[in-house]
Order: sequence, then structure tokens, then C-alpha cells
Amino acid sequence: KNEVEQSPQNLTAQEGEFITINCSYSVGISALHWLQQHPGGGIVSLFMLSSGKKKHGRLIATINIQEKHSSLHITASHPRDSAVYICAVRGSNYKLTFGKGTLLTVNP
Amino acid sequence: EAGVTQFPSHSVIEKGQTVTLRCDPISGHDNLYWYRRVMGKEIKFLLHFVKESKQDESGMPNNRFLAERTGGTYSTLKVQPAELEDSGVYFCASSLLGSNTEAFFGQGTRLTVV
Repeated sequence: KNEVEQSPQNLTAQEGEFITINCSYSVGISALHWLQQHPGGGIVSLFMLSSGKKKHGRLIATINIQEKHSSLHITASHPRDSAVYICAVRGSNYKLTFGKGTLLTVNP
Repeated sequence: EAGVTQFPSHSVIEKGQTVTLRCDPISGHDNLYWYRRVMGKEIKFLLHFVKESKQDESGMPNNRFLAERTGGTYSTLKVQPAELEDSGVYFCASSLLGSNTEAFFGQGTRLTVV
């Protein structure tokens, strides 16, 4: 079992739908990252969280440290949101441990 | 300001050849990390530099991989000799020193060993 588990692995939505991607982890962390990778593109950091909730545009990320769980929400999804979304956790030693990613496809 | 840049973006080499990947971190970022994604698997940590020193190289697969960061600026990752299983996308990331500083990633180098 991976230290970082994401669900779902694949997600297809219609434009405008509200989307949730989940991440659970089994180790103690100092921070959790949500990352985005478009096909053929590099990795972009969306959020870094250590507690609570952050919002940026149509993206919202929450984390529950006690439950070792984080969610990434996308409101009013758009085809340009289609990408792989990756959850990664940072332990006390700086390095990141990654989930396998969630492939999101938003159809027009 | 330029982000993290990696060269080359793609490399196709034959088994047994040598390849050197380069990463230029964001200026002033003392932390530099190498990661790798092998097809169908999650991204895995390879190693971590703080300035020119290797802080953690526990993720390096074997001694065919050699990473350097002379002068604490750019870093190179050499694979010699390359094997088929080395194929994947190699990512570099950098961050400022500190307990919870954000990591910035490069575009990655897609390595294909044939």
C-alpha cells in the first residue's frame, strides 16, 4: 500500500460540474501539496497546505490533519482543467512522497 | 524571473550509452531535488541537495546514477550506462531553505532508452 493514496484514479466530468479529488496519507507530514500536470507539460504547484483550507480562483483545497485526508475541489469545471492532479506529502526530511495522480477529463 | 529549467526536454538513447540531464534551479534556491516517474507508477524521490551537498540520496536506484551540484547552482544527473528500465520522466524541483517552503518544478526530461 502506498503512503499516499488518491481517488479516483480517473475522473470524467461535464463542463460546469463540481469536482472532488481525494487524498489520504498514512505518515506524519509537515505539509501537503496539490500539483497539476497537463499532458506533455511540467508540474505546477497549485497549493501547499499544512492545515485548514485554501482557495485560488475556482480551486479549493482542504486538509484534515487528524484524519490524514485532503481534498481538492474544482468548481464550475472547464475543459482546460483537464490534467493529472497529484497529491504529494512532505515529511520532516523535506522530500515529497507522491500519489499516483488522478487523470481528470472535462468534456465540453 | 526564470523558473526551474531542465535540459534536454527529451532524450532517446541506446542501452549502454550515457546521458546527462541538467537542472537549473530558481536563483537563490538552496534546496534542489531530483524525482523520477516511470511509466504507470507514481513519481519517486531520487535525491536532495542542499547547496552543493547531498542531503539525502536514498532514492537513487543504483550506482549507474550520479548526481552533482558543483558550486551549489545547477545540477546534473548522469546515467551511465543506461538500461531500458531507466526510461521515464525525470523532474527537478527547487525551493528556498526552511521547513515549509514551496517547491517549484521543472518541465521534466523524458528519457527513453531503446
